[in-house]
Amino acid sequence: DGGITQSPKYLFRKEGQNVTLSCEQNLNHDAMYWYRQDPGQGLRLIYYSQIVNDFQKGDIAEGYSVSREKKESFPLTVTSAQKNPTAFYLCASSSSGRARYEQFFGPGTRLTVL
Amino acid sequence: GENVEQHPSTLSVQEGDSAVIKCTYSDSASNYFPWYKQELGKRPQLIIDIRSNVGEKKDQRIAVTLNKTAKHFSLHITETQPEDSAVYFCAASYNDMRFGAGTRLTVKP
Repeated sequence: DGGITQSPKYLFRKEGQNVTLSCEQNLNHDAMYWYRQDPGQGLRLIYYSQIVNDFQKGDIAEGYSVSREKKESFPLTVTSAQKNPTAFYLCASSSSGRARYEQFFGPGTRLTVL
Repeated sequence: GENVEQHPSTLSVQEGDSAVIKCTYSDSASNYFPWYKQELGKRPQLIIDIRSNVGEKKDQRIAVTLNKTAKHFSLHITETQPEDSAVYFCAASYNDMRFGAGTRLTVKP
């Protein structure tokens, strides 16, 4: 299960607080992705980055922000503007900037807003 | 953008039977179609994928078929085993990957 890691595994947040989820990969992959998973739904794309210092919004980017300062790292910040942040968050990476290759997933972070 | 629909949402089969999960996609430009398996509390993992220049691909008990004209693709699992129980996701991509809502497969011993 090595290669792509996420921390923490569980995260609790009070309403009105920003929190940052960590995602690191040592696979030398160019592309990295953030997904949100809710019960009974598929993986919804939040943000993705095809190369360092560049990223694009996915389908549900409102209330989230990202940075890609290093190839290995793609942190996600859940801001207080996100109305319903309680969910399971998955980070993924792939070798190519094009989404036509296998994506490798991290173990996920479960965020709960108290 | 791409929209992927997946059916059924739940599927229960007896051990040894076959299971079929179907997906449709909307963007005719999509050319990569992976299937992921997610066991309870774990990360999704790729089990098989197919590209648009191929109509069928097999890997032991698992096969995927693709009909580009109709824009649908299917996952076939034969001789199911209890360890096949999981949530299965299909996806379609060209520049962006979009996932189906998932199928919860239960294999009863």
